Parts: sequence; C-alpha cells; structure tokens
Amino acid sequence: ETGVTQSPTHLIKTRGQQVTLRCSSQSGHNTVSWYQQALGQGPQFIFQYYREEENGRGNFPPRFSGLQFPNYSSELNVNALELDDSALYLCASRSGTVTGELFFGEGSRLTVL
Amino acid sequence: QKEVEQDPGPLSVPEGAIVSLNCTYSNSAFQYFMWYRQYSRKGPELLMYTYSSGNKEDGRFTAQVDKSSKYISLFIRDSQPSDSATYLCAPRRGRERFGAGTRLTVKP
Repeated sequence: ETGVTQSPTHLIKTRGQQVTLRCSSQSGHNTVSWYQQALGQGPQFIFQYYREEENGRGNFPPRFSGLQFPNYSSELNVNALELDDSALYLCASRSGTVTGELFFGEGSRLTVL
Repeated sequence: QKEVEQDPGPLSVPEGAIVSLNCTYSNSAFQYFMWYRQYSRKGPELLMYTYSSGNKEDGRFTAQVDKSSKYISLFIRDSQPSDSATYLCAPRRGRERFGAGTRLTVKP
C-alpha cells in the first residue's frame, strides 16, 4: 500500500511568483486535505477535496486554490506569493468515512524570498 | 479566542519519566479527540483518539478527555528517547482543528 507522497520536497520562490505543489493520496482514499504549517505552529486547514469537488475551506485568501483529479491526486496552487507564505505544506488523505484517519505526506517546504 | 490552545513547550524530561501533555478547547461540539505525533521533518501521524469523554489506553499512552472542562490530556508512561517528537492535539467535528503542538525531548 503506497502512502501519501508530495512533491517537490523543498522549493524556493521569490515574492510575487506562483507555485504548484502536488500530492498523490493513499490508495483507496477519495478525500484530500491541504494544510499550512508555519514554524512552531500546528497545521492550519487550507481546504479539502472530495471526489474532485472542494467541500471545505479554511481562512485562506482566494490566491490559494486547488484541484483534485479523477485518480484522487491533488494540486495546491498559490499565486502572488508573499513572505508569510513560507511554511511546510502538508497534504493528507482519508477514505472519507466519519472516523477516517488522516494520513499525511512528509510535506513540501516552501521558502519565499 | 483560539479554538484549541496547546502549550508549545519545549518540554524536556529524563528517560523513564511520566509525561503529561495538555490542550484546552472552546467548541463544545467536538466529538472526537485526536492526538498526532510529528517527528522532525516528517508529516504528523495519528497516535490515538478518543470519542467523547473518558480515558483510552494504548500501551504506554493514555488519552483523557474531560468535556465538562474542555480539557484534553495525553500521558506517556516510561518515556523513551524515541518518544521525542512534537505532539499535536486535534479535536474534531467534521475535520480536525490542530493545536500548536508541544515539542517533547526525552533525554537518555
């Protein structure tokens, strides 16, 4: 069973640029969530996708957007990068059940200069 | 007021100590109370969870929820250096709300 994989693992961008982060969910999982984790903080919910539809969003501006594909893989796009966007971006998947456990990837560490 | 408050520590204890990690929350609608463990440079992983109030034990770990005081605890008995990690409480209704995490170091 393949776990959640994310790419790239590290990247550096400059302010104003755009970035796309990718996630392959665990086999059989149809729900994908994205989190932002700043240094020394807990993960903050960005949004969730269920069967290719966004079905929940946290307190993040519209320049954070996403997609989920038919194979349940997902992308997180961030436009007009700001310095405060520097963080670890975590993707997590679950099978969509009420008590379904969240399985996290190892994250993509984004640095904005 | 944040939905979930957790002391970020850091907390350093000697091997074999009993560790107590705590969170408070504000939303009485939370039904599940999760604890995730996050090793350095890794994603969080579910350690254990409880439903509603009460205790749940799993080996050296005990999770405790007091809904009347909105207080969540995780106890680690006979702590080991391999327990050194950040522990995140995450009460849940629909989706998890993560605390800031407590960074724990267990020294040999």
